[in-house]
Formats: sequence, C-alpha cells, structure tokens
Amino acid sequence: EVQLVESGGGLVQPGRSLKLSCAASGFTFSNYYMAWVRQAPKKGLEWVATISTSGSRTYYPDSVKGRFTISRDNAKSSLYLQMNSLKSEDTATYYCARRHYGSPFGYWGQGVMVTVSS
Amino acid sequence: DIQLTQSPSTLPASLGERVTISCRASQSISNSLNWYQQKPDGTVKRLIYSTSTLESGVPSRFSGSGSGTDYSLSISSLESEDFAMYYCLQYATYPWTFGGGTKLELK
Repeated sequence: EVQLVESGGGLVQPGRSLKLSCAASGFTFSNYYMAWVRQAPKKGLEWVATISTSGSRTYYPDSVKGRFTISRDNAKSSLYLQMNSLKSEDTATYYCARRHYGSPFGYWGQGVMVTVSS
Repeated sequence: DIQLTQSPSTLPASLGERVTISCRASQSISNSLNWYQQKPDGTVKRLIYSTSTLESGVPSRFSGSGSGTDYSLSISSLESEDFAMYYCLQYATYPWTFGGGTKLELK
C-alpha cells in the first residue's frame, strides 16, 4: 500500500525557514516523480513544486520560486521541501503527492500544517 | 499561465441525482486534465486522470469527458459519500493549475 507521511510543520515567524519532510513507503520511491501541493485555510489547492526521479529537474510556480527548494533522498525514500523567507501567505496545509500512471498527484499524504505568523 | 474556471462553485443536489461539474481552460490543454475529490477532513483522492480514465477503485458512477478547453466531471447517481469538494487540475503546461473548486452539497 502506498503511504506518504508528511512531517515538520508548525508555527514559524515571517522571514524564517522551515523544512518539511515526506516519508514514502509501499512503492519504489526512486521510480516516481514527486511533488508538493498546498492549501491555504478556506482556499483551493495550489501546486508548489515537482521533482524528477533523480532529482536533477525541479519545477516551481512563480509564487515560491527562489524561496522554496524541493529535494529528495532516494536511499531514504524521502521527499523534502525547504522553505525560506516565509511569508504569511505561505500559511497552508502542505501535501506530498506522487505521480501515478504518468499523471500528477495520483497519491496524496494526509498533509501537514504550516503557520507563518509573528 | 493557464487559468481553469470551474462551475458551479456550489452545487446543491439530492441523493440519486445526476450532476455535472464543468472546468474550462483559458487555452487548449490537450486532455491533460485530472479530477480530485477532497473530503472535509482534508483527504484528497484522484478520481479521474487524462480527462476520462477512471482511477482504480473509484465507482463507475463517476465519469469524465472533454477536449480542447472544455472538460466535465459527471456523477450519475449521487450517494452520500459523494458530497465533498471537487477540483480539476491541468498539467499540460507549467505552472500546473487547479480550478477554484466545486462544493457538492446536500440539497
């Protein structure tokens, strides 16, 4: 069974950094593109980042480009999201997601909450 | 960026009713469209990928169709567990974008 378990969320001050982790199990992690998706309170879903199987290619929307970095450790079956220069608008639940049948976000984690506030 | 306009934003419906949710893209997305269901506890599940392929384990009352810029999700006969939020996603071009969501609620 595919499992994705996020961790590392919490309360952080504006301008500070936070690193999220996603532990994957139930599949060969190194074979799949992975991604992060977020949802601000009472808002819709927003794609945040995608990483290729080897980690050599990464993709971001303008809203986080230059501040967020997605990475992976295939030996540990883990996905990461380093978030720097955090803003109040980054407050959201962050989901880890896996590609499936060549299409994005086929499997989702349960999400982890990040609150950016002073 | 490609904008996805979902309609309606809220859809009151009854058990057993057939409903359709629309997703219109600002430019052609060549069938690169998925549908997701989100329950009140935050759990997200993919229902349909590549416009019309039903995810394994998803009931056959769900179906997807469309082409070019116009896509839709239909539920043939609503059951209680179907009342949730629904989102479309385009992955034809970066940045990938979601529609604004449709809340399917019990009338």
